[in-house]
Amino acid sequence: SYVLTQPPSVSVAPGQTARITCGGNNIGSKSVHWYQQKPGQAPVLVVYDDSDRPSGIPERFSGSNSGNTATLTISRVEAGDEADYYCQVWDSSSDHGGVFGGGTKLTVL
Amino acid sequence: QVQLQESGPGLVKPSETLSLTCTVSGGSISSYYWSWIRQPPGKGLEWIGYIYYSGSTNYNPSLKSRVTISVDTSKNQFSLKLSSVTAADTAVYYCARVLITFGGVIVIFGAFDIWGQGTMVTVSS
Repeated sequence: SYVLTQPPSVSVAPGQTARITCGGNNIGSKSVHWYQQKPGQAPVLVVYDDSDRPSGIPERFSGSNSGNTATLTISRVEAGDEADYYCQVWDSSSDHGGVFGGGTKLTVL
Repeated sequence: QVQLQESGPGLVKPSETLSLTCTVSGGSISSYYWSWIRQPPGKGLEWIGYIYYSGSTNYNPSLKSRVTISVDTSKNQFSLKLSSVTAADTAVYYCARVLITFGGVIVIFGAFDIWGQGTMVTVSS
């Protein structure tokens, strides 16, 4: 089965740029989606298809995907961005099963 | 706007069957794929399976022997049954909509764009 690897935690000061990575074998050939989850809440889609943003998501959230690594970039980080972030793909090698990364806790210092 | 709402018992006994329903409001269940996803306390997200409004399904191989997802288009609902539960099945269960596009006759699966608020299910005697 396909495995997505995320760092458990990332810390950044307010106003700086946070980068959260998602590693997978040839992940650049897949579409990667990113979700933000705050404590006690359901996940919210923040980036889909590698780099597109749903309506209502600030432009500060962006994504890229190449080779074996996809990256969620959050510019001008705010205290309200502190949350868990998950990447997700569909694994075509296992009958199109959904796969999530382990999640990254973003801490705003 | 489309909204999802999970419902079902919050407590299930070991070895019994967990049953949840997701009600879709503000839009039709037709022409979309719908998924169940769970999250054990303090842990990450796990995809359980999906169903198309026509009834076709696909399940996580690790749960496949115990999972059944069904759809009732007349009620705009889809449901999850997980049999022979243990404490390891204790989790928040979410229902979600799957964005899809078509590449000819091939379905291209996209993001989970709409989520329910989630419902906590505890497996305990």
